Order: sequence, then structure tokens, then C-alpha cells
Amino acid sequence: GENVEQHPSTLSVQEGDSAVIKCTYSDSASNYFPWYKQELGKGPQLIIDIRSNVGEKKDQRIAVTLNKTAKHFSLHITETQPEDSAVYFCAAAIEGNYQLIWGAGTKLIIKP
Amino acid sequence: EAGVAQSPRYKIIEKRQSVAFWCNPISGHATLYWYQQILGQGPKLLIQFQNNGVVDDSQLPKDRFSAERLKGVDSTLKIQPAKLEDSAVYLCASSLVFGTGGAKNIQYFGAGTRLSVL
Repeated sequence: GENVEQHPSTLSVQEGDSAVIKCTYSDSASNYFPWYKQELGKGPQLIIDIRSNVGEKKDQRIAVTLNKTAKHFSLHITETQPEDSAVYFCAAAIEGNYQLIWGAGTKLIIKP
Repeated sequence: EAGVAQSPRYKIIEKRQSVAFWCNPISGHATLYWYQQILGQGPKLLIQFQNNGVVDDSQLPKDRFSAERLKGVDSTLKIQPAKLEDSAVYLCASSLVFGTGGAKNIQYFGAGTRLSVL
């Protein structure tokens, strides 16, 4: 079955710097890759997703890149702000299927 | 639009006791999910409902966990009897339709119920 590995488990960056979180997946059939942000005491919230027919997608300060050959995808946050502090999860799925396979999460800490 | 509502927010019980969690999904959402999130891990799907029918409960420990979704709206998840390893956050999510990858498939999560089993 699908397995998703996420690195690093904790990432501390200075406010204003960029942050990059990386995930790898095992099932080459996976073609849908969402990223969720979970703030303390809240449930995960979808922030961006990408499908395998594109290599990159941007939404303001957030971007996601996908390398199908290497089976890895990354979340990039530029100009980090204190409100970016949270746990970020990547996930993988076969589009149309119902089950998301989740990574273990990355705790992002933004230092003032 | 109201989000996914869950209650209680916190629950502390002793092992071998019973506990129940309640979830009210976003109005009109046909699909409902229960996840278990152990500290430091990603959510693990326990059970998925499509309206009031079970789509997948393959990861639900059926000897102690049960779930129902009456009338295709609210859902309850029960643990009886609880074990120490059941300590986790139990998340409920809902989506407009079944599947992944489309705007209508986006899963919206509640804040979860944090269960501590002593």
C-alpha cells in the first residue's frame, strides 16, 4: 500500500525567511497531493493541493512542487510570518479514490 | 457556513471505561470520516460513511470501537472498553461528495476530541 514520509519533523526558521517541507510517496499510482495546516487545538485545514499533471502550483506565499519521477513533492512558504507557525501535513491519494495517506507532520516554528 | 462540530472537546477516562464522541458535519455533506490522531502522527482513518452507509471500516478495531451515522447526518463514535493506547485526538471530517481530488471532495475537519485514558 501507499506510504508517505515527511521531513523534517520540526523546522525552525526566522520570520521573513523561507521554509521548505518535503514528502516522498511510494505508490506511483498516486496522483493527488494535498497539504494541510493544523493549528494548535484545531483540525487540519487544506491549504493547497497539486495533481500529477502539473509540476508546480502557487497561491500567494505558498507553493507546492511535484517530481513524479522521484516520487516526491514539497511545500514552500516564502516570507514566513508568525501565523505560519503550525503543524503541516502532506498526503497522497489516487484521485477519485476516497482515502488520503498522510505523512507524520512537520512542526513549523517561526522565530521573531 | 457552520463548520464541523464535535463534542466533547476533552475527555478523561480510566481504562476499561466507555466513551462516546459526537460529530455534526457541515450541512449537506454526504461523506463523513472519523480519524484517530495519535500525538506526533498524521491522522489515521478509522471509518468512512457515505450518507448513512459504511464505505470503509477496515482500520476500525471492531472489538472495541463502533460508529453509526443515523439518518445520514450526525455521527457517534464509541469505544468500549477503552485501552491506554486509545489516548489520542479523534477527528471528524466531512466532504460534499465521495472521493478525493476535486473541490467537492475537500475534507473539512472539526476541532477534534482529545481523549486521555488513564
